[in-house]
Amino acid sequence: DVKVTQSSRYLVKRTGEKVFLECVQDMDHENMFWYRQDPGLGLRLIYFSYDVKMKEKGDIPEGYSVSREKKERFSLILESASTNQTSMYLCATYARDATYEQYFGPGTRLTVT
Amino acid sequence: AQSVTQLDSQVPVFEEAPVELRCNYSSSVSVYLFWYVQYPNQGLQLLLKYLSGSTLVKGINGFEAEFNKSQTSFHLRKPSVHISDTAEYFCAVCRWEGKSTFGDGTTLTVKP
Repeated sequence: DVKVTQSSRYLVKRTGEKVFLECVQDMDHENMFWYRQDPGLGLRLIYFSYDVKMKEKGDIPEGYSVSREKKERFSLILESASTNQTSMYLCATYARDATYEQYFGPGTRLTVT
Repeated sequence: AQSVTQLDSQVPVFEEAPVELRCNYSSSVSVYLFWYVQYPNQGLQLLLKYLSGSTLVKGINGFEAEFNKSQTSFHLRKPSVHISDTAEYFCAVCRWEGKSTFGDGTTLTVKP
């Protein structure tokens, strides 16, 4: 089974702090994604990566950056956390094969105070 | 560009009743269609998907969905729901490289 793990289930940070959210997958998938989930808004794509050191902006990249130095690890960075970045963050991987499935991690609930 | 509209934000239903969760989509390119379920305090889990072929697809837990190309819809159905089906359900369209657009979600509440 594909396993997607995220470094923390719950995180509390202060406004202005630099925040790192880590995602690790064990299935050698090329594509990885970061979403944020807010009530009534579904999931919105922040950034995605289709290879090591390659990244592309999603629908709401402002205030975020990403890093992918190794195939299995995709990090989301909040350079200076703000209260409007309080949200649930979900990482996902995608197999570029016949299944076309995304596999999601359990999520990190980030609170910025 | 692609978009997904889930027509009902909340659907309350009694146990053993049938249910339909509605999803319309638009896309300028070919996409694949998915339904995901999220149980309280858990991540997203794939329910079913439409890639090609038969327009009626069956998923886990007795759910099924029908792809209607002319109406650009992909409604989710279950003939008899259980309390354990209480969850949030997301419809999504996905391009070939995996870039997905999700609907806002439908909260299904099954009452005894």
